[in-house]
Amino acid sequence: AQKVTQAQTEISVVEKEDVTLDCVYETRDTTYYLFWYKQPPSGELVFLIRRNSFDEQNEISGRYSWNFQKSTSSFNFTITASQVVDSAVYFCALSEADTNAGKSTFGDGTTLTVKP
Amino acid sequence: GAVVSQHPSRVICKSGTSVKIECRSLDFQATTMFWYRQFPKKSLMLMATSNEGSKATYEQGVEKDKFLINHASLTLSTLTVTSAHPEDSSFYICSASSGLETQYFGPGTRLLVL
Repeated sequence: AQKVTQAQTEISVVEKEDVTLDCVYETRDTTYYLFWYKQPPSGELVFLIRRNSFDEQNEISGRYSWNFQKSTSSFNFTITASQVVDSAVYFCALSEADTNAGKSTFGDGTTLTVKP
Repeated sequence: GAVVSQHPSRVICKSGTSVKIECRSLDFQATTMFWYRQFPKKSLMLMATSNEGSKATYEQGVEKDKFLINHASLTLSTLTVTSAHPEDSSFYICSASSGLETQYFGPGTRLLVL
């Protein structure tokens, strides 16, 4: 069985601070995909990243970066120099490689509040 | 990126009535669509998987007679909440996929049953 744990329910930071959102997963599969999604107050989920289990390279996209470590089954997400517009609920998700991403297992989400 | 729309974005209905929610993939053909339900401050719960031209596959605990899903074309899936009751009030989200690796989410539909 798959499981995704986002231990941080809520995080509050002040603008320009860096913040890391944790994601720990469990799976018996050797091949799988990990995802991060952003859900702003409007409700629409925004895809941020997909990572194949064979690719452990860290990725950076602007102020966003992801640290994937198979040894600790973690896929953490860091926002550098946070902005008020980053305030949202962030979901980490896991899917088996031979299963549609739509059948992903989602974490419970982390609510990030960035204060001005 | 791929665009998925949902209609309506918000609906209020009386208890006992049925509500239909449409999910459309606007610029790609979606072989598979998914319907999720999200309670306030909760995660997404997958309700069912819908493949074009075939019956939907429902997750355990989801009443298929209550939540009717139709996927008549590669760009349209509908979710009908039949005989809606206040406990059906929720945020319903669809997603569309043309392959295994990625799904694109619709903006969601907020349903309030009075």
